[in-house]
Amino acid sequence: QKEVEQNSGPLSVPEGAIASLNCTYSDRGSQSFFWYRQYSGKSPELIMSIYSNGDKEDGRFTAQLNKASQYVSLLIRDSQPSDSATYLCAFVFTGGGNKLTFGTGTQLKVEL
Amino acid sequence: DGGITQSPKYLFRKEGQNVTLSCEQNLNHDAMYWYRQDPGQGLRLIYYSQIVNDFQKGDIAEGYSVSREKKESFPLTVTSAQKNPTAFYLCASSQDSRNTEAFFGQGTRLTVV
Repeated sequence: QKEVEQNSGPLSVPEGAIASLNCTYSDRGSQSFFWYRQYSGKSPELIMSIYSNGDKEDGRFTAQLNKASQYVSLLIRDSQPSDSATYLCAFVFTGGGNKLTFGTGTQLKVEL
Repeated sequence: DGGITQSPKYLFRKEGQNVTLSCEQNLNHDAMYWYRQDPGQGLRLIYYSQIVNDFQKGDIAEGYSVSREKKESFPLTVTSAQKNPTAFYLCASSQDSRNTEAFFGQGTRLTVV
């Protein structure tokens, strides 16, 4: 089993819609989960971190964590064309000495 | 201005050469990481360091070497043993390795010519 799995997409949503991005992870000991956004040719930038079960909201972004199901998601409300990017989920894999481990990313396209 | 600085932005290497990529941070972070990204792929961990004078292999360490002699510096050497080094290399740092958020430098794009 891969340590973290994401649907590679592309995920296409119309402008103004809600985009839903999902990620599953393998390490039950993990306590820290992150979402990064990466524009083409650029380095990833952190957009959300979540450590507890439930929802965490920051502006148009909501991260959701379910540790029992080993599942983390990111919702983007009122999607804008500028949200078009690749979204990477990441977590600290404790099984091998606290490795910050990334998924392969989901490409999001917000269409006018 | 605080942050993580990678240099150079672009690097060209001849077959059989070793090259060193620089990563410096002035955030007083304990943990630093090196990742490799190939086109259309996610980030694969090469090496990471949780504290100065200590580092661990990541998932794809073969053909690479690192040092962590100073807290603010974590250089990566791509050796001639790395058979396919052309990629985008990303350095990151975090306050510690367990729970805190990591931030990235702007990356170094390495091409073998």
